[in-house]
Amino acid sequence: AQSVTQPDIHITVSEGASLELRCNYSYGATPYLFWYVQSPGQGLQLLLKYFSGDTLVQGIKGFEAEFKRSQSSFNLRKPSVHWSDAAEYFCAVGPPGGNTPLVFGKGTRLSVIA
Amino acid sequence: GAVVSQHPSRVICKSGTSVKIECRSLDFQATTMFWYRQFPKQSLMLMATSNEGSKATYEQGVEKDKFLINHASLTLSTLTVTSAHPEDSSFYICSARVPRTSGGLDEQFFGPGTRLTVL
Repeated sequence: AQSVTQPDIHITVSEGASLELRCNYSYGATPYLFWYVQSPGQGLQLLLKYFSGDTLVQGIKGFEAEFKRSQSSFNLRKPSVHWSDAAEYFCAVGPPGGNTPLVFGKGTRLSVIA
Repeated sequence: GAVVSQHPSRVICKSGTSVKIECRSLDFQATTMFWYRQFPKQSLMLMATSNEGSKATYEQGVEKDKFLINHASLTLSTLTVTSAHPEDSSFYICSARVPRTSGGLDEQFFGPGTRLTVL
């Protein structure tokens, strides 16, 4: 069965510091991988996605993620965090093609301090 | 990207009443939409898969008689919470997935969510 693990429930970083949010997945083949961000009381916004090809993908708001097949990981990174990045981040996995829903991790809450 | 809207964004109702939440795909046709529920500080939990013109598929543990889903057109799915109780208070989010095999982007587009509070 597909599953997504986000080991860190809550992370606090200083503004301007670098950020890495961890995501590990369990899937039988190469999945489609996604990172979403959710601000309080809001819906989900797609940050970036990986389907195939270059394992380092760039997203919006200066985020990037690297797919590492050997580690079943898809960690999200940002070199310099801004206070507006404080939000909940969800990693998700889905099978290629078809009309099937994504499986989400439990999320990592990011707090940014001055 | 594609846009999914939800209405209402926030609703407060009395216990025992029914509430309907609409999910619309504004600029694309969605044969399949998904309904999620999110409790405070928790992840999204898939409730059901809504298929246009057919019965919805509910996840284990979700009461189909309580959460009625209708997907009458390619751009509209509705979730009706029947005889709502305080424990049904939650954030409900719908989404539609555009499969890459159909020329789409193979990602889920999410609505902004509906905050339901049952008094």
